[in-house]
Amino acid sequence: GENVEQHPSTLSVQEGDSAVIKCTYSDSASNYFPWYKQELGKRPQLIIDIRSNVGEKKDQRIAVTLNKTAKHFSLHITETQPEDSAVYFCAASLLGGGKLIFGQGTELSVKP
Amino acid sequence: DADVTQTPRNRITKTGKRIMLECSQTKGHDRMYWYRQDPGLGLRLIYYSFDVKDINKGEISDGYSVSRQAQAKFSLSLESAIPNQTALYFCATSLNTGELFFGEGSRLTVL
Repeated sequence: GENVEQHPSTLSVQEGDSAVIKCTYSDSASNYFPWYKQELGKRPQLIIDIRSNVGEKKDQRIAVTLNKTAKHFSLHITETQPEDSAVYFCAASLLGGGKLIFGQGTELSVKP
Repeated sequence: DADVTQTPRNRITKTGKRIMLECSQTKGHDRMYWYRQDPGLGLRLIYYSFDVKDINKGEISDGYSVSRQAQAKFSLSLESAIPNQTALYFCATSLNTGELFFGEGSRLTVL
């Protein structure tokens, strides 16, 4: 089955700096790669996703890149703000297949 | 607003007790899931269901069972709770387009 590895487990940046979180997946059939943000004491919420027919997707200060050959994908956050502090999870699945497998999570801390 | 509701939100129990966590949704989604969250381990899939007659094991189903009582209800049972089942449990729903909508979570402590 699918296995997703996520690094780093913790990341601390200064406000205004960029943050990058990386994930690798094992199942070459996976074609859907979402990212979820979980603020302290809250439920995870989708912030961006990418499908295997594109290599990059942007939404304001966040972007995701996908390298299907290497089976890895990354989340990039630019101009970080204190409200970006949260735990971020990557995930992978076959779209429509239902079984979304998550990485271990990255705790991002943005220091003012 | 349409939502995913979990009960109880917090539960403390003893080893060997039977525990049921309940999930109901008003989103009208067919697909429902149970995940377990542990620090450093992320979110791990326990069971998932695509409709009332469909139940599938996830990554860590041992020690758990589920029931899909209706399109809007999906419950998770621990027949005989053990301390390493202490965790935060999330129910989630989706369409077949991928995005998961999570409930607020149920924190279970097994002493």
